[in-house]
Amino acid sequence: DAKTTQPTSMDCAEGRAANLPCNHSTISGNEYVYWYRQIHSQGPQYIIHGLKNNETNEMASLIITEDRKSSTLILPHATLRDTAVYYCIVRVEAAGNKLTFGGGTRVLVKP
Amino acid sequence: NAGVMQNPRHLVRRRGQEARLRCSPVKGHSHVYWYRQLPEEGLKFMVYLQKENIIDESGMPKERFSAEFPKEGPSILRIQQVVRGDSAAYFCASSPESFSLNTEAFFGQGTRLTVV
Repeated sequence: DAKTTQPTSMDCAEGRAANLPCNHSTISGNEYVYWYRQIHSQGPQYIIHGLKNNETNEMASLIITEDRKSSTLILPHATLRDTAVYYCIVRVEAAGNKLTFGGGTRVLVKP
Repeated sequence: NAGVMQNPRHLVRRRGQEARLRCSPVKGHSHVYWYRQLPEEGLKFMVYLQKENIIDESGMPKERFSAEFPKEGPSILRIQQVVRGDSAAYFCASSPESFSLNTEAFFGQGTRLTVV
């Protein structure tokens, strides 16, 4: 099981920020939150990951709540090329560090 | 997706034939994961290997599927006596030697297997 809950789908407007929520209420203290995306039939693309502090890179920002039970991935200026399925994953040491993908959020960026 | 090379990108096999899928990890990476994605479905973990060792094969079908990651050369996922239900995209990911929960894994572009 993926240990995360995400909305099935969401739309956002091109040029606007896209905020993708994820719940991971059973996360343990040393487990990281990872975000990947899969653009139509391509290989999953790493976006960002974090433990408890907010993180930012050239692709996105990750905001993790203080209690670590949820997080939000922010795409600051969504483009049409950001249309993809976005996966929020909690990486579990007990599961051999592998990434377990759930259903993800299907994000459609509209002009 | 930097550096993980999978080949072939597309593979067509007749029922009963063998399929061999290759994954060359990022240079210096010694951890390899294989995933399968059936049409219109999510990514399912199959197997996790380090050089010359299978660490976790909990997602591998019990029959006809095998994987290896030799000391030299790419990782190989082998499917014997393929059936139509094996038609899927197979993705490989790799992580570096110093692997931990804080280390990202990078995926290849996948091999799309079609069984006719």
